[in-house]
Amino acid sequence: EDQVTQSPEALRLQEGESSSLNCSYTVSGLRGLFWYRQDPGKGPEFLFTLYSAGEEKEKERLKATLTKKESFLHITAPKPEDSATYLCAVQAMNSGYSTLTFGKGTMLLVSP
Amino acid sequence: DAGVTQSPTHLIKTRGQQVTLRCSPKSGHDTVSWYQQALGQGPQFIFQYYEEEERQRGNFPDRFSGHQFPNYSSELNVNALLLGDSALYLCASSLVRSPGHEQYFGPGTRLTVT
Repeated sequence: EDQVTQSPEALRLQEGESSSLNCSYTVSGLRGLFWYRQDPGKGPEFLFTLYSAGEEKEKERLKATLTKKESFLHITAPKPEDSATYLCAVQAMNSGYSTLTFGKGTMLLVSP
Repeated sequence: DAGVTQSPTHLIKTRGQQVTLRCSPKSGHDTVSWYQQALGQGPQFIFQYYEEEERQRGNFPDRFSGHQFPNYSSELNVNALLLGDSALYLCASSLVRSPGHEQYFGPGTRLTVT
Protein backbone atom coordinates (compact mmCIF):
# COMPACT_ATOMS: atom_id res chain seq x y z
CA GLU A 1 0.00 0.00 0.00
CA ASP A 2 1.30 3.42 -0.98
CA GLN A 3 1.99 5.73 1.98
CA VAL A 4 2.99 9.37 2.35
CA THR A 5 4.10 10.96 5.64
CA GLN A 6 4.69 14.68 5.94
CA SER A 7 6.57 16.48 8.70
CA PRO A 8 6.28 18.65 10.59
CA GLU A 9 2.48 18.83 10.88
CA ALA A 10 2.74 22.57 11.48
CA LEU A 11 5.55 25.09 11.14
CA ARG A 12 5.70 28.70 12.23
CA LEU A 13 8.38 30.91 10.70
CA GLN A 14 9.32 34.55 10.89
CA GLU A 15 9.39 36.40 7.59
CA GLY A 16 12.77 35.75 5.98
CA GLU A 17 13.49 32.63 8.06
CA SER A 18 14.24 29.81 5.62
CA SER A 19 13.25 26.20 6.34
CA SER A 20 12.33 22.85 4.76
CA LEU A 21 9.28 20.62 4.75
CA ASN A 22 9.69 16.84 4.52
CA CYS A 23 7.70 14.22 2.62
CA SER A 24 8.59 10.56 3.16
CA TYR A 25 6.98 7.99 0.89
CA THR A 26 6.68 4.29 0.18
CA VAL A 27 5.29 3.31 -3.19
CA SER A 28 5.50 0.31 -5.46
CA GLY A 29 7.33 2.09 -8.25
CA LEU A 30 7.19 5.87 -8.31
CA ARG A 31 5.80 7.50 -11.42
CA GLY A 32 5.82 10.98 -9.92
CA LEU A 33 5.82 12.98 -6.71
CA PHE A 34 3.65 16.07 -6.58
CA TRP A 35 3.63 19.15 -4.37
CA TYR A 36 0.51 21.23 -3.95
CA ARG A 37 -0.31 24.36 -1.99
CA GLN A 38 -3.75 24.64 -0.39
CA ASP A 39 -5.27 27.77 1.10
CA PRO A 40 -8.05 27.34 3.70
CA GLY A 41 -11.35 26.21 2.18
CA LYS A 42 -9.92 26.03 -1.35
CA GLY A 43 -8.71 23.34 -3.70
CA PRO A 44 -5.04 22.36 -3.93
CA GLU A 45 -2.93 24.42 -6.33
CA PHE A 46 -0.34 22.50 -8.34
CA LEU A 47 3.29 23.48 -7.66
CA PHE A 48 5.74 20.82 -8.88
CA THR A 49 6.12 17.31 -10.22
CA LEU A 50 9.35 15.36 -9.61
CA TYR A 51 10.03 12.09 -11.41
CA SER A 52 13.45 10.76 -10.46
CA ALA A 53 15.93 10.88 -7.60
CA GLY A 54 18.22 13.88 -7.83
CA GLU A 55 15.70 16.02 -9.66
CA GLU A 56 15.11 19.59 -8.44
CA LYS A 57 12.54 22.21 -9.42
CA GLU A 58 12.18 25.84 -8.39
CA LYS A 59 9.43 28.41 -8.36
CA GLU A 60 9.99 31.80 -6.77
CA ARG A 61 10.96 31.12 -3.12
CA LEU A 62 10.22 27.38 -3.34
CA LYS A 63 12.55 24.56 -4.35
CA ALA A 64 11.56 20.90 -4.38
CA THR A 65 14.05 18.04 -4.33
CA LEU A 66 13.63 14.26 -4.56
CA THR A 67 15.53 11.24 -3.26
CA LYS A 68 14.55 7.57 -3.46
CA LYS A 69 12.64 7.74 -0.18
CA GLU A 70 11.73 11.36 0.44
CA SER A 71 11.20 14.81 -0.97
CA PHE A 72 11.94 18.20 0.52
CA LEU A 73 10.26 21.51 -0.12
CA HIS A 74 12.72 24.27 0.71
CA ILE A 75 11.31 27.72 1.39
CA THR A 76 13.85 30.53 1.11
CA ALA A 77 13.18 33.87 2.81
CA PRO A 78 9.43 33.22 3.13
CA LYS A 79 6.83 35.96 3.13
CA PRO A 80 3.45 36.03 4.93
CA GLU A 81 1.71 35.23 1.63
CA ASP A 82 3.49 31.86 1.63
CA SER A 83 1.31 30.83 4.57
CA ALA A 84 -0.74 27.80 3.50
CA THR A 85 -0.91 24.03 3.84
CA TYR A 86 1.58 22.24 1.61
CA LEU A 87 0.52 18.80 0.41
CA CYS A 88 2.72 16.06 -0.98
CA ALA A 89 1.31 13.24 -3.11
CA VAL A 90 2.70 10.21 -4.94
CA GLN A 91 1.58 8.55 -8.13
CA ALA A 92 2.44 4.87 -8.51
CA MET A 93 3.74 3.32 -11.69
CA ASN A 94 1.11 0.58 -11.53
CA SER A 95 -1.67 3.14 -11.36
CA GLY A 96 -2.82 2.75 -14.93
CA TYR A 97 -4.89 5.88 -15.07
CA SER A 98 -2.93 7.76 -12.45
CA THR A 99 -4.31 8.39 -8.98
CA LEU A 100 -2.71 10.35 -6.20
CA THR A 101 -2.02 9.26 -2.62
CA PHE A 102 -1.68 12.31 -0.38
CA GLY A 103 -0.04 13.02 2.93
CA LYS A 104 -1.85 15.02 5.59
CA GLY A 105 0.08 18.16 4.77
CA THR A 106 2.24 20.68 6.59
CA MET A 107 0.52 23.85 7.74
CA LEU A 108 2.94 26.76 7.32
CA LEU A 109 2.42 30.10 9.04
CA VAL A 110 4.80 32.94 8.22
CA SER A 111 4.64 35.90 10.56
CA PRO A 112 5.68 39.44 9.52
CA ASP B 1 -8.48 29.20 -20.26
CA ALA B 2 -11.10 28.01 -17.78
CA GLY B 3 -9.82 25.92 -14.95
CA VAL B 4 -11.70 23.17 -13.13
CA THR B 5 -15.10 24.32 -11.91
CA GLN B 6 -17.37 22.70 -9.33
CA SER B 7 -20.91 23.28 -8.18
CA PRO B 8 -22.38 23.96 -5.78
CA THR B 9 -19.87 25.71 -3.52
CA HIS B 10 -21.60 24.72 -0.31
CA LEU B 11 -24.33 22.22 0.49
CA ILE B 12 -26.15 21.24 3.66
CA LYS B 13 -28.00 17.92 3.75
CA THR B 14 -29.69 15.74 6.34
CA ARG B 15 -28.65 12.18 7.22
CA GLY B 16 -30.18 9.65 4.86
CA GLN B 17 -30.58 12.10 1.99
CA GLN B 18 -28.85 11.88 -1.38
CA VAL B 19 -26.59 14.49 -2.97
CA THR B 20 -25.16 15.18 -6.43
CA LEU B 21 -22.02 17.23 -6.96
CA ARG B 22 -20.87 18.47 -10.35
CA CYS B 23 -17.51 19.11 -11.99
CA SER B 24 -16.35 20.57 -15.30
CA PRO B 25 -12.74 19.73 -16.15
CA LYS B 26 -10.04 22.10 -17.33
CA SER B 27 -10.27 22.78 -21.05
CA GLY B 28 -8.57 20.00 -23.03
CA HIS B 29 -8.62 17.47 -20.19
CA ASP B 30 -10.35 14.10 -20.54
CA THR B 31 -10.01 12.47 -17.11
CA VAL B 32 -11.79 13.40 -13.91
CA SER B 33 -10.93 12.19 -10.42
CA TRP B 34 -12.87 12.78 -7.23
CA TYR B 35 -11.37 13.16 -3.77
CA GLN B 36 -12.79 13.55 -0.28
CA GLN B 37 -10.93 15.79 2.14
CA ALA B 38 -11.92 15.71 5.80
CA LEU B 39 -10.87 18.59 8.02
CA GLY B 40 -7.16 18.48 8.80
CA GLN B 41 -6.52 15.56 6.44
CA GLY B 42 -5.11 15.17 2.97
CA PRO B 43 -7.46 14.39 0.07
CA GLN B 44 -8.50 10.74 -0.27
CA PHE B 45 -9.11 9.24 -3.70
CA ILE B 46 -12.70 8.17 -4.37
CA PHE B 47 -12.69 7.20 -8.05
CA GLN B 48 -11.57 8.24 -11.49
CA TYR B 49 -13.46 8.48 -14.78
CA TYR B 50 -12.09 8.28 -18.29
CA GLU B 51 -14.06 7.68 -21.50
CA GLU B 52 -17.27 7.71 -19.45
CA GLU B 53 -16.20 4.69 -17.41
CA GLU B 54 -15.01 4.30 -13.84
CA ARG B 55 -11.39 3.24 -14.23
CA GLN B 56 -10.18 3.08 -10.65
CA ARG B 57 -11.78 3.24 -7.26
CA GLY B 58 -10.47 3.97 -3.80
CA ASN B 59 -11.67 2.50 -0.53
CA PHE B 60 -15.17 3.99 -0.56
CA PRO B 61 -18.52 2.18 -0.26
CA ASP B 62 -21.00 1.71 -3.07
CA ARG B 63 -23.01 4.63 -1.69
CA PHE B 64 -20.52 6.73 -3.65
CA SER B 65 -21.14 6.58 -7.38
CA GLY B 66 -20.33 8.72 -10.34
CA HIS B 67 -20.82 9.47 -13.96
CA GLN B 68 -18.87 11.09 -16.76
CA PHE B 69 -20.60 12.71 -19.69
CA PRO B 70 -19.48 12.89 -23.35
CA ASN B 71 -18.24 16.47 -22.78
CA TYR B 72 -15.95 15.08 -20.01
CA SER B 73 -17.87 16.73 -17.18
CA SER B 74 -18.66 14.53 -14.22
CA GLU B 75 -21.02 14.01 -11.32
CA LEU B 76 -20.46 12.48 -7.91
CA ASN B 77 -23.50 10.99 -6.19
CA VAL B 78 -23.66 10.00 -2.55
CA ASN B 79 -26.66 8.07 -1.26
CA ALA B 80 -27.87 7.52 2.31
CA LEU B 81 -25.70 10.31 3.68
CA LEU B 82 -23.94 9.81 6.99
CA LEU B 83 -22.58 12.44 9.35
CA GLY B 84 -19.09 11.19 8.45
CA ASP B 85 -19.61 12.19 4.83
CA SER B 86 -19.21 15.82 5.83
CA ALA B 87 -16.09 16.99 4.00
CA LEU B 88 -14.69 19.06 1.17
CA TYR B 89 -15.21 17.17 -2.10
CA LEU B 90 -12.60 17.93 -4.69
CA CYS B 91 -12.64 17.27 -8.39
CA ALA B 92 -9.36 17.06 -10.30
CA SER B 93 -8.88 16.85 -14.04
CA SER B 94 -5.99 15.60 -16.13
CA LEU B 95 -5.09 14.48 -19.63
CA VAL B 96 -4.51 10.74 -19.86
CA ARG B 97 -1.88 11.11 -22.58
CA SER B 98 0.05 13.80 -20.73
CA PRO B 99 3.45 12.38 -19.71
CA GLY B 100 3.26 14.05 -16.32
CA HIS B 101 -0.37 13.21 -15.53
CA GLU B 102 -0.56 16.36 -13.47
CA GLN B 103 -3.95 16.75 -11.84
CA TYR B 104 -5.50 20.18 -11.50
CA PHE B 105 -8.04 20.70 -8.76
CA GLY B 106 -11.22 22.67 -8.58
CA PRO B 107 -12.23 24.83 -5.61
CA GLY B 108 -14.26 22.04 -4.06
CA THR B 109 -17.77 21.58 -2.70
CA ARG B 110 -18.15 21.82 1.06
CA LEU B 111 -20.78 19.24 2.12
CA THR B 112 -22.22 19.39 5.61
CA VAL B 113 -24.45 16.53 6.78
CA THR B 114 -26.61 17.25 9.83
